[in-house]
Amino acid sequence: GAVVSQHPSRVICKSGTSVKIECRSLDFQATTMFWYRQFPKQSLMLMATSNEGSKATYEQGVEKDKFLINHASLTLSTLTVTSAHPEDSSFYICSAVDRGGGSSYEQYFGPGTRLTVT
Amino acid sequence: AQKVTQAQTEISVVEKEDVTLDCVYETRDTTYYLFWYKQPPSGELVFLIRRNSFDEQNEISGRYSWNFQKSTSSFNFTITASQVVDSAVYFCALIQRGYGNNRLAFGKGNQVVVIP
Repeated sequence: GAVVSQHPSRVICKSGTSVKIECRSLDFQATTMFWYRQFPKQSLMLMATSNEGSKATYEQGVEKDKFLINHASLTLSTLTVTSAHPEDSSFYICSAVDRGGGSSYEQYFGPGTRLTVT
Repeated sequence: AQKVTQAQTEISVVEKEDVTLDCVYETRDTTYYLFWYKQPPSGELVFLIRRNSFDEQNEISGRYSWNFQKSTSSFNFTITASQVVDSAVYFCALIQRGYGNNRLAFGKGNQVVVIP
């Protein structure tokens, strides 16, 4: 149980285009989903927190107009990188908190999406 | 504020040696959760353990063991008789209850390289 999927796993796009990454909780409902970015040989950096039906909360320094987050249902959150540039190339990871889980602190992580902007 | 420090960046060991990864945390709350995750080259985070602040018992799971010391704010992780498959980055993380939607604070990670 508690499986989180991400799609696509890898994506290459041209500079200036937009890319959408999906994060789905497959066997549970997620009250909250988190989006992280990880540069090579670095730790995970939290970008934003999204709660179903409400606006995402962005971390300081993260451009909300560039990284659009939509959490339209209890099983799906999307991250859209708009007008992507090579510096947006990174590994993007989502996690989800199980609404019905015994612990509200357990985050289940997706497998990640590797974005390369050329 | 909450903070997790993993001082060692890269650790190389010869297969079958033990390796201990240090994790020191800072938090102002008395209720918090500590985690260890493994990130193999594929990138997917693998959950290893969760420990709450009220449970100071050490834990052993196969070749993995964890030592939680509240007095020194440390939650160290030991891999016994390391194997090549243990080569990965290991992250220590902390959730402080009630801290902004239960956000995880990650340490910088320890890159473990097991040499055959």
